[in-house]
Amino acid sequence: AQSVTQLDSQVPVFEEAPVELRCNYSSSVSVYLFWYVQYPNQGLQLLLKYLSGSTLVESINGFEAEFNKSQTSFHLRKPSVHISDTAEYFCAVTEGYNFNKFYFGSGTKLNVKP
Amino acid sequence: NAGVTQTPKFRVLKTGQSMTLLCAQDMNHEYMYWYRQDPGMGLRLIHYSVGEGTTAKGEVPDGYNVSRLKKQNFLLGLESAAPSQTSVYFCASSHTGGMVNEQFFGPGTRLTVL
Repeated sequence: AQSVTQLDSQVPVFEEAPVELRCNYSSSVSVYLFWYVQYPNQGLQLLLKYLSGSTLVESINGFEAEFNKSQTSFHLRKPSVHISDTAEYFCAVTEGYNFNKFYFGSGTKLNVKP
Repeated sequence: NAGVTQTPKFRVLKTGQSMTLLCAQDMNHEYMYWYRQDPGMGLRLIHYSVGEGTTAKGEVPDGYNVSRLKKQNFLLGLESAAPSQTSVYFCASSHTGGMVNEQFFGPGTRLTVL
């Protein structure tokens, strides 16, 4: 079975600083990758996804993630964070042959300080 | 569109009591899912459904039952609640059609079992 690892459970960062949230997955088969964001007391919202094509994908609010097949990683980055980015971020993977099952990482809490 | 809605938002049960969580979606999605979210463990799939009248076990199905009598509704039942079932429960849905599609999440139900 697929497994998803988010090594950092919490990431504190000052406003306007860059940030990288790490995600690694286990399977070497074809995968589709997602980052979801969860604001306090809310459900998960899709932030960005990689299905095919360019390995660098971007969100509308300045986040980007790069699919690296050789390192089985899909790290999320933002060059300058805002207070409003404070949330928990989840990496998720689904496999090509069983696309109805998503595997989620344990989440990374991003705490942006003024 | 309301998207994915969950009822109730909060509930406190005593050990041994039963309850049903209701999930409804108005996006005509074929797939629906129930997850539980526990601190440090991310989201774990309890049960899922690929269409009306069908259900399947996920990663942590023990102690739960589900039903999908109507396409828009997915019910999660706890027959005899245990303290280990204290968690936040999320319902999700997704479209299908031979493509990989994102999952849309409800706002969650916070359940405490005393």
